[in-house]
Amino acid sequence: EAQVTQNPRYLITVTGKKLTVTCSQNMNHEYMSWYRQDPGLGLRQIYYSMNVEVTDKGDVPEGYKVSRKEKRNFPLILESPSPNQTSLYFCATGTRLSPYEQYFGPGTRLTVT
Amino acid sequence: GQQVMQIPQYQHVQEGEDFTTYCNSSTTLSNIQWYKQRPGGHPVFLIQLVKSGEVKKQKRLTFQFGEAKKNSSLHITATQTTDVGTYFCAGQNTPLVFGKGTRLSVIA
Repeated sequence: EAQVTQNPRYLITVTGKKLTVTCSQNMNHEYMSWYRQDPGLGLRQIYYSMNVEVTDKGDVPEGYKVSRKEKRNFPLILESPSPNQTSLYFCATGTRLSPYEQYFGPGTRLTVT
Repeated sequence: GQQVMQIPQYQHVQEGEDFTTYCNSSTTLSNIQWYKQRPGGHPVFLIQLVKSGEVKKQKRLTFQFGEAKKNSSLHITATQTTDVGTYFCAGQNTPLVFGKGTRLSVIA
């Protein structure tokens, strides 16, 4: 079954404690992306990757890091989380030819206290 | 930077009524995508429009891309309770920019 998985699905953490949200896909898609979704602000792109070892900033990259060492994985790293990073995070994937026909993961709800 | 405005923010309709949401960009778009997100769920891709003036249909849903490629609309005919959710447009430039969505409620 084609799918995008995210882990963890829910996380409550404290300010400054480094964390990683994993994203994995089994569709052999080249394009992967991270979004955050906040009430009143909609979906905003954090980082995206067009292929292995290629990453680019989206609209709101500050405070986040990503890496794309393998095609199937695109982890989102928060080196020093702050309360303003409390949000719902989605990973999404797409093909090289149609990267914006995106398949979204189930989401990770992060709370930073 | 590029902005994608979507209206209305909310829409409440009686089951069987029609529904339309509009998306307007401050810049010309290469293409535009539409997504649906059910309450508590994740966005699901509906369609991509690429050509100026393009119209596509999916059963009761009709999608249009403006002639100037700066606006788009999604029209649902005879809404059903299964249509409940938030509809987003996403304008393709770099980076990809989503509208804030229109939340549709359908009263049975």
